This record gives sequence, structure tokens and C-alpha cells, in this order.
Amino acid sequence: GAVVSQHPSRVICKSGTSVKIECRSLDFQATTMFWYRQFPKQSLMLMATSNEGSKATYEQGVEKDKFLINHASLTLSTLTVTSAHPEDSSFYICSARAGGAGTGELFFGEGSRLTVL
Amino acid sequence: GENVEQHPSTLSVQEGDSAVIKCTYSDSASNYFPWYKQELGKRPQLIIDIRSNVGEKKDQRIAVTLNKTAKHFSLHITETQPEDSAVYFCAATPNSGNTPLVFGKGTRLSVIA
Repeated sequence: GAVVSQHPSRVICKSGTSVKIECRSLDFQATTMFWYRQFPKQSLMLMATSNEGSKATYEQGVEKDKFLINHASLTLSTLTVTSAHPEDSSFYICSARAGGAGTGELFFGEGSRLTVL
Repeated sequence: GENVEQHPSTLSVQEGDSAVIKCTYSDSASNYFPWYKQELGKRPQLIIDIRSNVGEKKDQRIAVTLNKTAKHFSLHITETQPEDSAVYFCAATPNSGNTPLVFGKGTRLSVIA
């Protein structure tokens, strides 16, 4: 199946610093990628929809100035957690749909576990 | 928007027994219903999916049923094995354009040997 790669898999940072997470579609082009956040023992909550060449669409309650999303190419979307705080510690997962808009399976990256000290 | 409810939140079964997880959705426009299995610390993996033009789909020990009228769909795992232990998520989407998946809260399945 299609491959979505996410980096880094784990990151530990100090409070107040910024962290960038990369999501790449390795063998297909993704005009749209989705960023989810998952707290321990909870479900995947959609944070934002990343659109290549345009602004991301954020879900209600997600601060766009805190979670900066850039989708500069058809294979790369980045999520930057700015001025991270301990409450931002979570598992962040990106995903992209292969096989054409609205028709293909959604593939997930490996996830990035962020720990903010 | 879409809202997906999933039950039960936890499920324990004896090895060899069947497990059933049920989900309901709210948006009648949803037409794609995947199920994901997630092991601790890993990404969700698609195990089976169903589209609204069929009522049932089976893949070896796993089956999914869909009732569009009632807006609910279920996952059935037969002859459960210890390696089936994981968290299972249902999801739904209208699947038009590039709409995201909306996930249920998950079911933690424990298969007891």
C-alpha cells in the first residue's frame, strides 16, 4: 500500500520552544493531508486539514497561530508546534489519502510523540 | 458535521470467542466506513472498510456490516486470538472531495488466552 512517513518519531523539548514535525507521502502525491492528535487512551482528534499551496483549515478549538501548518509541495506537509507547553504533549499523526480524492484508503504516518518538559 | 459513537469502550473475550464492536454515525452523507486497529504506540492500521453501496463485507475472520437506514455499522471478529488484542477505531466520512475521517472513541479489546 501507499506509504506515509513522519519524522521525528519522538521528540522531547523544553517549554517555550518550537517543534517541527514532517509528514511525507513517499509514493503518491497528496494535495490534502490531515493532522490528528491523540492523547493517551483517547481517540484520534482531527486538528487541521492541510491543503497544498493554500492555507490549512483548522478544527474548532485548535489555535492556528500555535499549530502552524505548511503544505508547500504535493508530498510534504509540516506541523510546527510553537511555544510548546506541557499540555501540548501528545501523539501527533498525519495522514493522507491515496487513490484519488475521496476514493482511496487513508494512510497514516508513524506518528510523532511529543513530550514537553 | 459528522459524529461517530462507538461501543463498548472496553471488551474482554476468551480466546476463540467472537467479538463485536458497534458504531453509529450521524451524517447521512457519509458513505465510507473504515475500521482501524491500533497497537500501543503505533499508527492505526486499516483492517477492513465498507462503502455504502454494500451491506456486508468479510475478510477471513473479520467482517463488517452496515445498516444505512439505521446509520450504524459493526465489526465482527470471529475465533479471536491473543494477537487481536488492541484498540479498534471505527470511522466515517462523506468521502467527497478530500474530507477527513471522523473517528469513534475506540474499543480496547482484550483476548484472554
